[in-house]
Amino acid sequence: SYELTQPPSVSVSPGQTASISCSGENLGNKYANWYQQKPGQSPVLVIYEDTKRPSGIPERFSGSNSGNTATLTISGTQAMDEADYYCQAWDSNTVIFGGGTKLTVL
Amino acid sequence: EVQLLGSGGGLVQPGGSLRLSCAASGFSFSSYAMSWVRQAPGKGLEWVSDISGSGGSTNYADSVEGRFSISRDNSKNTLYLQMNSLRAEDTAVYSCAVEMATSGHAFDIWGQGTMVTVSS
Repeated sequence: SYELTQPPSVSVSPGQTASISCSGENLGNKYANWYQQKPGQSPVLVIYEDTKRPSGIPERFSGSNSGNTATLTISGTQAMDEADYYCQAWDSNTVIFGGGTKLTVL
Repeated sequence: EVQLLGSGGGLVQPGGSLRLSCAASGFSFSSYAMSWVRQAPGKGLEWVSDISGSGGSTNYADSVEGRFSISRDNSKNTLYLQMNSLRAEDTAVYSCAVEMATSGHAFDIWGQGTMVTVSS
């Protein structure tokens, strides 16, 4: 079955750029989506179809996807961006989530 | 306003059954495929199942295939998840989700989740 691999944790200083990777076989041939989840809350879609931002998502969130790796980039990271982030793809009629990355802003 | 309201969770013994519901409002329910996603305590997101708008097509994660059954009643704008032969590892918050204003199988609307605890 298809798998997506994320680093367990990423740390970034306020105002700097955070990059979270998501790896999967030929992931660049599929769409990658990204979710932000804060404690006790439902996930929020921040990037879909590799690079698109849903309405209301700040421009500092961007995405890319090529080869075996998709990347979520947060420019000018703010304290409010501290959360768990999950990548997601679709393969053979199933939805796959990565294991999640805890982003710490310190 | 688009809303998904999950219910039906609770405490159940191993081997038992439970039916979850997700009441939808604010959109044309029958026009959209719906999914269930779960999250075990302290763990990541896991897709469970989805169903087409008409209800004629369903898909399941390997971990629940043969034990869980997804269905919908478009006249009641409600999604269901029948869970049988429950195991301790099924303990999780179960949320319904829908891809509405996006594409690429991305869930932009999520329900608030209902907790299922499987324990003796």
